[in-house]
Amino acid sequence: SQQGEEDPQALSIQEGENATMNCSYKTSINNLQWYRQNSGRGLVHLILIRSNEREKHSGRLRVTLDTSKKSSSLLITASRAADTASYFCATVRGYNNNDMRFGAGTRLTVKP
Amino acid sequence: DTEVTQTPKHLVMGMTNKKSLKCEQHMGHRAMYWYKQKAKKPPELMFVYSYEKLSINESVPSRFSPECPNSSLLNLHLHALQPEDSALYLCASSQALDYKGTQYFGPGTRLTVL
Repeated sequence: SQQGEEDPQALSIQEGENATMNCSYKTSINNLQWYRQNSGRGLVHLILIRSNEREKHSGRLRVTLDTSKKSSSLLITASRAADTASYFCATVRGYNNNDMRFGAGTRLTVKP
Repeated sequence: DTEVTQTPKHLVMGMTNKKSLKCEQHMGHRAMYWYKQKAKKPPELMFVYSYEKLSINESVPSRFSPECPNSSLLNLHLHALQPEDSALYLCASSQALDYKGTQYFGPGTRLTVL
């Protein structure tokens, strides 16, 4: 079953602008990950943040995690047309970290 | 090799057919997963295998039957499916007992049930 919600459901921006997507979840987690999916294809792992971390950076990506509010955000800076895709947060739980549940996803469109 | 392969890419089947989806990885991962994804929806976890043993079954109907014959292969046997089972079926793998749980996904099999 789906773990949480994401907002916005869809986001349209111009190239060069920043994109922020939010994710909320319901249960305690071991870590939270963000994945990207192009046009109904396989998902690609972007970044992981552990439950005891508050912020992570990777290139143009910045992820924050607030476990007290059970929420996370993904910021993509200086967006490019190639960033157009669906972005999903995924929460990981379980003793061996193989129980992963996805949020509803945000469809990002970056206009050139 | 960091690739998860899935065959076939597309499958059209009737409600009385029996077919199988295949997934393969050669990354030495000991956890493998099946997800179902409907259009404009997130992937939904169906099954998890850890060390070739079924560890999670998300109350999936018995017309879906998973099989993990060895550490590199994962199959999903399909029988007497319904049109509402039409979806993208994604396979993924990860290191078992991995502190991160990062999963590597295949491109998926797009299934249409007529």
